[in-house]
Amino acid sequence: GDSVTQMEGPVTLSEEAFLTINCTYTATGYPSLFWYVQYPGEGLQLLLKATKADDKGSNKGFEATYRKETTSFHLEKGSVQVSDSAVYFCAHYGGSQGNLIFGKGTKLSVKP
Amino acid sequence: DTAVSQTPKYLVTQMGNDKSIKCEQNLGHDTMYWYKQDSKKFLKIMFSYNNKELIINETVPNRFSPKSPDKAHLNLHINSLELGDSAVYFCASSHAGQGSPQYFGPGTRLTVL
Repeated sequence: GDSVTQMEGPVTLSEEAFLTINCTYTATGYPSLFWYVQYPGEGLQLLLKATKADDKGSNKGFEATYRKETTSFHLEKGSVQVSDSAVYFCAHYGGSQGNLIFGKGTKLSVKP
Repeated sequence: DTAVSQTPKYLVTQMGNDKSIKCEQNLGHDTMYWYKQDSKKFLKIMFSYNNKELIINETVPNRFSPKSPDKAHLNLHINSLELGDSAVYFCASSHAGQGSPQYFGPGTRLTVL
């Protein structure tokens, strides 16, 4: 069935390090793909999205490219900040009821 | 100009009680959702609802019931609360269609004692 697989966390980086959080998906067709971010004690916020193959979503220095051939949507940022510490979720619509399917989340901690 | 709001933010109650969580969105969306997030941050869809159709995740106990007085509100009522119901509950909303992102409320942390 449809699913989203994210790299296991937690991920700990120093400030200004390069970030990659891997996400691969299984889906029928080519659904829109999303990254959400959840800061401590808050709800999920849409970070970026891509609606078709080869689209690149970007926001706040984060980027992810919709790769149809590898069914991937990896999240990247060139230089992380302490304020980027959060849990990141990859997601797409799918399943028998067409709901948003989330990965298990990847916790990122950025140290000064 | 809060987009999706929930009340209360925290809810502490005894086992066996009945409680409700309220959700409102001012985005003009036609579909609303309830999610449960466990202690490991795993998100589980509980319900999705628009003015035409309620879709229930079959794994959700029937002690949980969504109630929608109008298009902008979807409340969650829980009967006979159990210890395992302790979690953070999120409301979300979106336009219909699978290209549409969902917008989430701030969450309600429910603790059942």
